[in-house]
Amino acid sequence: EVQLVESGGGLVQPGGSLRLSCVASTFTFSNYWMTWVRQAPGKGLEWVANIKGDGSLKYLIDSVRGRFTISRDNAEYSLYLHMNDLRAEDTAVYYCARDLRGHGEFDLWGQGSLVTVSS
Amino acid sequence: DKQMTQSPSTLSASVGDTITISCRASHPITDSLAWYQQKPGRAPNLLIYRASSLERGVPSRFSGSGYGTEFTLTISSLQPDDFATYFCQHYYGYPLTFGGGTKVEI
Repeated sequence: EVQLVESGGGLVQPGGSLRLSCVASTFTFSNYWMTWVRQAPGKGLEWVANIKGDGSLKYLIDSVRGRFTISRDNAEYSLYLHMNDLRAEDTAVYYCARDLRGHGEFDLWGQGSLVTVSS
Repeated sequence: DKQMTQSPSTLSASVGDTITISCRASHPITDSLAWYQQKPGRAPNLLIYRASSLERGVPSRFSGSGYGTEFTLTISSLQPDDFATYFCQHYYGYPLTFGGGTKVEI
């Protein structure tokens, strides 16, 4: 089955760090741009970051640049989001998603991983 | 940043109705627009890309139109499974941004 499975979420104190992982199955992972999208409780969707198939290009939203890093390990079919200096406003469900054509259309999503930043 | 404004924020409808959701971009985005459906506790599901192209496996009662700054998602003959929240999203440059969502309720 073609799928994305996320892990790594949890409760962290403000200023803390966390690493989210997303493992892909049954498609050629290295062929696709991958992205992270988050959704604060009861709120809308917010694109966070994306990365090209070979890892050579990365983009992040301004509010996380300098604190978050996106990376991937194509041999492990894995996508990562390294989050440092976490703030209360980073509290959200984080989804990884596959980019259908490399243009920003997300056709396959993970189940989501909840990150809660609170003391 | 390009802002995406959806209207209405909530829409009440009945099974069998035809409904239209609007999405307006703050700057022209050609046809670089996608529509998603999201149900509570679930990840979004891609319905439409490139403003009017139907994603594989999505029922033909869903259709999209528009170009530039004005876009619409139409659902014909609304089914019980269609009661959900719908989001538009542009991909004409960074940052990618989503509309605020339209909740379709009974």
